[in-house]
Amino acid sequence: DTGVSQNPRHKITKRGQNVTFRCDPISEHNRLYWYRQTLGQGPEFLTYFQNEAQLEKSRLLSDRFSAERPKGSFSTLEIQRTEQGDSAMYLCASSGGRSYEQYFGPGTRLTVT
Amino acid sequence: AQRVTQPEKLLSVFKGAPVELKCNYSYSGSPELFWYVQYSRQRLQLLLRHISRESIKGFTADLNKGETSFHLKKPFAQEEDSAMYYCALSGIGGYQKVTFGTGTKLQVIP
Repeated sequence: DTGVSQNPRHKITKRGQNVTFRCDPISEHNRLYWYRQTLGQGPEFLTYFQNEAQLEKSRLLSDRFSAERPKGSFSTLEIQRTEQGDSAMYLCASSGGRSYEQYFGPGTRLTVT
Repeated sequence: AQRVTQPEKLLSVFKGAPVELKCNYSYSGSPELFWYVQYSRQRLQLLLRHISRESIKGFTADLNKGETSFHLKKPFAQEEDSAMYYCALSGIGGYQKVTFGTGTKLQVIP
């Protein structure tokens, strides 16, 4: 499968714990995006990388959230001290070259109990 | 601030009937407009982009800058069109973040 992959697909954690998600973009894509989607809502932008540089962060991304993309390949999204309000589907997407099209991964569903 | 509004959460139509999914937007400048679709148990994927002016799976969308609308239309609905549809916008070039609407679930009744 040469599409965007995300791991884990599901994560259940207790409030206050830290979690980390991984996204592997399509190999030749230099742009990578993280979104969050809650029930009944569309995806909400969190952050965007071009290669290894984090170019934009949403105000939704509180100081408990951090994202990295070392070497401009895979990316990780870490949430520290999780809260119940963090329960959501976390989506990763990538795009590359002159193409505007963002290719989405299957998402990681986070449940904070 | 950029915003996308999809007023209908659910739209039910009979097979063969016309479909129109409404989308209005708010953006300072000239945005790129998109429609994304998510079929059951599949990933979110791009359906069409306003600038390409093409018809995908029989769907078209016209950008009306005066009304700030980008409604999605299809003359004859098919059962396989049943899915969640999201209207979205981005800045010029479309490489930046995408702002999505809340989505409309299209249900095509056989």
